[in-house]
Amino acid sequence: EAQVTQNPRYLITVTGKKLTVTCSQNMNHEYMSWYRQDPGLGLRQIYYSMNVEVTDKGDVPEGYKVSRKEKRNFPLILESPSPNQTSLYFCASTLAGGPGEQFFGPGTRLTVL
Amino acid sequence: AQSVTQPDIHITVSEGASLELRCNYSYGATPYLFWYVQSPGQGLQLLLKYFSGDTLVQGIKGFEAEFKRSQSSFNLRKPSVHWSDAAEYFCAVGAYYNDYKLSFGAGTTVTVRA
Repeated sequence: EAQVTQNPRYLITVTGKKLTVTCSQNMNHEYMSWYRQDPGLGLRQIYYSMNVEVTDKGDVPEGYKVSRKEKRNFPLILESPSPNQTSLYFCASTLAGGPGEQFFGPGTRLTVL
Repeated sequence: AQSVTQPDIHITVSEGASLELRCNYSYGATPYLFWYVQSPGQGLQLLLKYFSGDTLVQGIKGFEAEFKRSQSSFNLRKPSVHWSDAAEYFCAVGAYYNDYKLSFGAGTTVTVRA
């Protein structure tokens, strides 16, 4: 089954404790992206990757890091989480060649205390 | 840069009634337009998309949307709402110059009353 998976689905952590949210897709998509969803703001792009070893900032990159060492994986790293990073996070992927349908993961609800 | 406005934060509709969700976009050229639905506790599912051609597009679950260039709008409609349509709906726009980034509206929450 074609899908984007994220882990963990729920995470409660404390300020300053490094964490990683994993994202994996099995569709051989070149493009992957991370969004955060906050009430009243919709989804905002954090980082994206056009292919292996190619990443770039989205609209709200501060406090986040990403890496793309393999085509299927695109982890989101919070080196020193803060309470304002409490949010719902979505990973998405799509084929290269134009903005076709983006496939979204199930989301990760992060709470930073 | 592209942007999307969904003027209605919350809409309540009776089961069986029609539904229309508004979406206005800002972009200097022909955009790619999408509607996604997010059911409670779920991820985002694509309802329909517009790239070019016929300005009335059909999607899943009985939804349709009409692209009106003159009004910069891409409104979503459904003739008869079911209780299972209660969800949050997001309009999104993608740009030609940046092939992949989607800019989302703030979303419209739909409540269906019996």
